[in-house]
Order: sequence, then structure tokens, then C-alpha cells
Amino acid sequence: EIVMTQSPATLSVSPGERATLSCRASQSVSNNLAWYQQKLGQAPRLLIYGASTRATGIPARFSGSGSGTEFTLTISSLQSEDFAVYYCQQYNNWPPGTFGQGTKLEIK
Amino acid sequence: EVRLLESGGGLVQPGGPLKLSCAASGFTFNNYAMSWVRQAPGKGLEWVSGIGTSAGTSVYADSVRGRFTISRDNSKNTLYLEMDGLRPEDTAIYYCAKKNFGVNPFDSWGQGTLVTVSS
Repeated sequence: EIVMTQSPATLSVSPGERATLSCRASQSVSNNLAWYQQKLGQAPRLLIYGASTRATGIPARFSGSGSGTEFTLTISSLQSEDFAVYYCQQYNNWPPGTFGQGTKLEIK
Repeated sequence: EVRLLESGGGLVQPGGPLKLSCAASGFTFNNYAMSWVRQAPGKGLEWVSGIGTSAGTSVYADSVRGRFTISRDNSKNTLYLEMDGLRPEDTAIYYCAKKNFGVNPFDSWGQGTLVTVSS
């Protein structure tokens, strides 16, 4: 089973600043990597798929990059509604589509 | 608008059964693979089970194989998860999620239903 490791566990950033979240796979997942956002008390929402393609309706300040085993989610200028938990998921080896443990993005 | 509405959660004793449902609308249900994903309180996401566009292909996480059964009724646009031999560690919010057939992520999720296993 592929293990997904996210870092850091918690990231403190001020509104308007840039946030960079990392995700590493224990073996190559090609570009079959997704990012999800989960706000408190809500279901996850797909942000990025194919490592770098924004899902429908996702603002341009969200961008994804990487391939193979190293991936990054960047939020260019944080808005108040962006503070949430972010999960990466590989769907290259199915089943299971393993998730990372999450990065909590909090207000500094 | 895509909608996935889970139901059937609740409090159940260890070893007991429970059946979850997920009613789908806003898309052609029988064109999409479906899954159940759970989240224990304060924890991350764990994929539980998935089923193909017909009922012929189903897969399970090791943690639930042999205890849980996934099924779907395309005539009713509904996904199910029958759970038996429940354990305290199965306590979680259970989400249903849809994905395109093939190598694709979960593009829509329901709001979830809480299952609590406790005596």
C-alpha cells in the first residue's frame, strides 16, 4: 500500500500571505494526485486533481505541482475562507486510494 | 447540481449491524463508480469500500473486508453499506463519494452520517 505523508502537520500563516503544503508518496503515483479541502464540520471538497488541474469553481489562487513522489499545494494569497484542513490523495494504485494525514492551515 | 445524501447512521452496540444509504441526484448515477470513505473523530480520511458502475465489482479496505458489504441499486439511484460485526474503532462519520470510472479522484462528496459503536 502506498503511504502518503503530508508536511507540516500544522501551518500558521497570516491572511494575504502565501502558503505552501507538501505531500510525499512512498512510491511513484505519476500525476494521479488530488488535493481536498475540509472545513470544520463539512465534507471534503476536491480542489486539485491530476496534480495540477483545478476542479470546477476553484479559485486561481490555488495551484498544484509535482509528479512521481513529491507534490505541492500553493495558495498564493490566503483568504479567511481558506483556513481549513487539506488532504492529499493518491489514486494511481486503486484500491485503496490512500490519503495523507492532513495539514491544518491556521491563522497566524 | 450533484447531491449525495447519506442516512442510516446512529448508535449501535459492538458486534451489531447497521445499514447506511446514500441517495444520489443531479447526475447519471449508473455512469459513476461510488465509494464510502470514513473519518474517525478528530482523525483523517480512510477509504472503506468502492463499487463499479454495475454491482459486479466491489473492493474493500483490509480493515472492513468480511464485515462490510457495499451494494448499489441503479434503479433507485442509491448506494448502500451493510456493516456487521461492528467494533468501537468503526466509529466515524461515513461519507459517500463519486468518481469517474478509471483513474480519477472523488469529485463530489455527501455530508456524511455518524456511526457510533459503543455499549
